[in-house]
Amino acid sequence: QKEVEQNSGPLSVPEGAIASLNCTYSDRVSQSFFWYRQYSGKSPELIMSIYSNGDKEDGRFTAQLNKASQYVSLLIRDSQPSDSATYLCAVNLRQLIWGAGTKLIIKP
Amino acid sequence: EPEVTQTPSHQVTQMGQEVILRCVPISNHLYFYWYRQILGQKVEFLVSFYNNEISEKSEIFDDQFSVERPDGSNFTLKIRSTKLEDSAMYFCASRALLDIQYFGAGTRLSVL
Repeated sequence: QKEVEQNSGPLSVPEGAIASLNCTYSDRVSQSFFWYRQYSGKSPELIMSIYSNGDKEDGRFTAQLNKASQYVSLLIRDSQPSDSATYLCAVNLRQLIWGAGTKLIIKP
Repeated sequence: EPEVTQTPSHQVTQMGQEVILRCVPISNHLYFYWYRQILGQKVEFLVSFYNNEISEKSEIFDDQFSVERPDGSNFTLKIRSTKLEDSAMYFCASRALLDIQYFGAGTRLSVL
């Protein structure tokens, strides 16, 4: 069974702080990893993709991948109230396998 | 910016009726997908479509479901005889050669 696991939260972070979101996956064959953001009642919106071990930075967002530990994370620096959403981790295995998402709340 | 378009945004139907959900993928994309998300639950893969045929499907995608690309732009999901448990958000996605999928806004299906 191919699984993607995330802590459901909610994760509450003060405005301006760093939010850290984690994801583990079960299938070692996975090569592509994605973070999507989903606002309530809306569709998933791509934030980051990562394919190699290490860090990938894009603005306030940094994705980290460790294939040996089967672990992907997303850091959001200088968190804003507009970052409040559910963050979905997805792993590509000929189709996207999704985690249940972590609800992030940024408190002003 | 190109986007995936889904219609209708909300579909209400009676149990046992057929519904067709429509999607217009991004024009130069080659791969097309349907996902569903039951309220409060995770996104689930239904089917992928490439070169005018199904390339992958999940166990959810049973004989009640079908997909079609009737012309060069539309990609449809048909549910033949809807059940209460088919109530969900249905998302269409498409991608080019890179494996980044772009999602439409979704169709909320309510089966009464």
